[in-house]
Amino acid sequence: NAGVMQNPRHLVRRRGQEARLRCSPMKGHSHVYWYRQLPEEGLKFMVYLQKENIIDESGMPKERFSAEFPKEGPSILRIQQVVRGDSAAYFCASSRSEVNTGELFFGEGSRLTVL
Amino acid sequence: QKEVEQNSGPLSVPEGAIASLNCTYSDRGSQSFFWYRQYSGKSPELIMFIYSNGDKEDGRFTAQLNKASQYVSLLIRDSQPSDSATYLCAVNNYGQNFVFGPGTRLSVLP
Repeated sequence: NAGVMQNPRHLVRRRGQEARLRCSPMKGHSHVYWYRQLPEEGLKFMVYLQKENIIDESGMPKERFSAEFPKEGPSILRIQQVVRGDSAAYFCASSRSEVNTGELFFGEGSRLTVL
Repeated sequence: QKEVEQNSGPLSVPEGAIASLNCTYSDRGSQSFFWYRQYSGKSPELIMFIYSNGDKEDGRFTAQLNKASQYVSLLIRDSQPSDSATYLCAVNNYGQNFVFGPGTRLSVLP
């Protein structure tokens, strides 16, 4: 049973470009969470999605950031017009259901560097 | 704003000692509590979860929960150098997102 798959693992962008990060949850998981982590800091919640729905996006900046989890395919976190402050590790996690409140399974992360 | 607080550390303990990691949370409605371990440059991995007041033991790890005090802790017995990592406390309420604390960096000295 494959774990949470994130790609790309490393992404380099110049200021003003777009970054697109992908996350495929574990098989059977319908809940996806995105977190951002700066060096030596904790995980900052960004957005919580279920298939085709955004449940909570309170941690996501209102501008330039968007997320989706379509019926088919991976969840995507998109950052438009990237700035240097967007450089961070972006972790995706999945869980089976909200009622179960089972553990979150994390992907290996996507490390974005903005030049 | 729901918050989870931890001492950032670093917490240094000698090999073989007990490491005690603490976490407080602000949302009284929180239902489930998790401890994750994160090695430098790696993704977090679950160590333990606890839902009910009291202690829960798993090998060298014991999680303690006190909902009245909004406090959860993790004890690591017989600490090993391989336990050196950042430990993240996470709190969840049904149907809501998981909120993580800033993490406590633990260093186990040989």
